[in-house]
Amino acid sequence: KAGVTQTPRYLIKTRGQQVTLSCSPISGHRSVSWYQQTPGQGLQFLFEYFSETQRNKGNFPGRFSGRQFSNSRSEMNVSTLELGDSALYLCASSPDSMNTEAFFGQGTRLTVV
Amino acid sequence: DQQVKQNSPSLSVQEGRISILNCDYTNSMFDYFLWYKKYPAEGPTFLISISSIKDKNEDGRFTVFLNKSAKHLSLHIVPSQPGDSAVYFCAASKVQGAQKLVFGQGTRLTINP
Repeated sequence: KAGVTQTPRYLIKTRGQQVTLSCSPISGHRSVSWYQQTPGQGLQFLFEYFSETQRNKGNFPGRFSGRQFSNSRSEMNVSTLELGDSALYLCASSPDSMNTEAFFGQGTRLTVV
Repeated sequence: DQQVKQNSPSLSVQEGRISILNCDYTNSMFDYFLWYKKYPAEGPTFLISISSIKDKNEDGRFTVFLNKSAKHLSLHIVPSQPGDSAVYFCAASKVQGAQKLVFGQGTRLTINP
């Protein structure tokens, strides 16, 4: 069974640009969550989607958005990039609403210059 | 506001001995706790979890202890093996099944041969 797949693995963008990251959950998993990992703030929850609906949201500005498609694949978008958005973005999937033990992908390393 | 704290950034243990990783939390609403392990260039991997109705959960070499009155949990690894060298994250959620995990900053465990 394939794990959580995130693309791309590495990305370099310029301040002010926007970026879209993709996550394909484990087959059959319906919940997808996104986290940002930085050296200063650690792992922070961005948002969670379940059955194409945003179910939970963290404390990030509106520049961070996401969506989930009918096949459970998810994308997150960051607009008007800032230097501080440089981070490892991790996606996690879970079978349903009763499981907290999420399975993480390898992440997308975003560098904003 | 760091609701989940891992006060030891690093820990070094001799192979075969016990590794004890600690985690404190401040939010009394948390009722489900998890430990994740992370190798470089990989996403976190779920290790073990515990619900607030229990004070101990064991899985092979890994045991998690929860002291609700002290808002403290610990992960014991015995015996420690070189492959256990990684960064360990403690995480908490308010409801079991909720994907909105709050993570600690992580503890880098090094097992010395």
